Amino acid sequence: GAVVSQHPSWVICKSGTSVKIECRSLDFQATTMFWYRQFPKQSLMLMATSNEGSKATYEQGVEKDKFLINHASLTLSTLTVTSAHPEDSSFYICSARPLAEETQYFGPGTRLLVL
Amino acid sequence: EDQVTQSPEALRLQEGESSSLNCSYTVSGLRGLFWYRQDPGKGPEFLFTLYSAGEEKEKERLKATLTKKESFLHITAPKPEDSATYLCAVLNAGNNRKLIWGLGTSLAVNP
Repeated sequence: GAVVSQHPSWVICKSGTSVKIECRSLDFQATTMFWYRQFPKQSLMLMATSNEGSKATYEQGVEKDKFLINHASLTLSTLTVTSAHPEDSSFYICSARPLAEETQYFGPGTRLLVL
Repeated sequence: EDQVTQSPEALRLQEGESSSLNCSYTVSGLRGLFWYRQDPGKGPEFLFTLYSAGEEKEKERLKATLTKKESFLHITAPKPEDSATYLCAVLNAGNNRKLIWGLGTSLAVNP
């Protein structure tokens, strides 16, 4: 139980294009989903908290116009990296928290490479 | 300031050599402490959630314990497939519901 999927698992794109990453909770409903970014040899950095049906809450220093988050249903959240640049290359990981639980369950991650 | 410190930073064990990983925390009201395992290039895999001092949980060769200041992840008779980075995170009792992460312990188990 508590399985979270992410798609795609890796993506290569040209500078200036937009990339959408999907995060799905497969066997539970999640009112809250989280988006993280992880650099090599570093811990997870929270980018934003996404609540179903409302606007995402972004962490300080994260550009909300660049990292668009939509949480349209209790099982799906999307992260769109708009006008991607090489410095956006990273490992993006989502997590989902089931209703009435504190535990976050993580997806397998999406590796983004912007050329 | 809420903080999580994991030690050691890296640990190398021989197969079958039991050991413990430490997660020390300071937080204004603990709502939960979480252990995850992360393999290279993958997202964290959930292991345990602990909510109150004295609580213990076990899964196969792993056992997690919790006190008011720290948590231990005990690994009994580890196997090479236990090699991974083990992450600890805490959730405070505030309203922001954000996890505070340690930097992890990189465990290597040699056959």
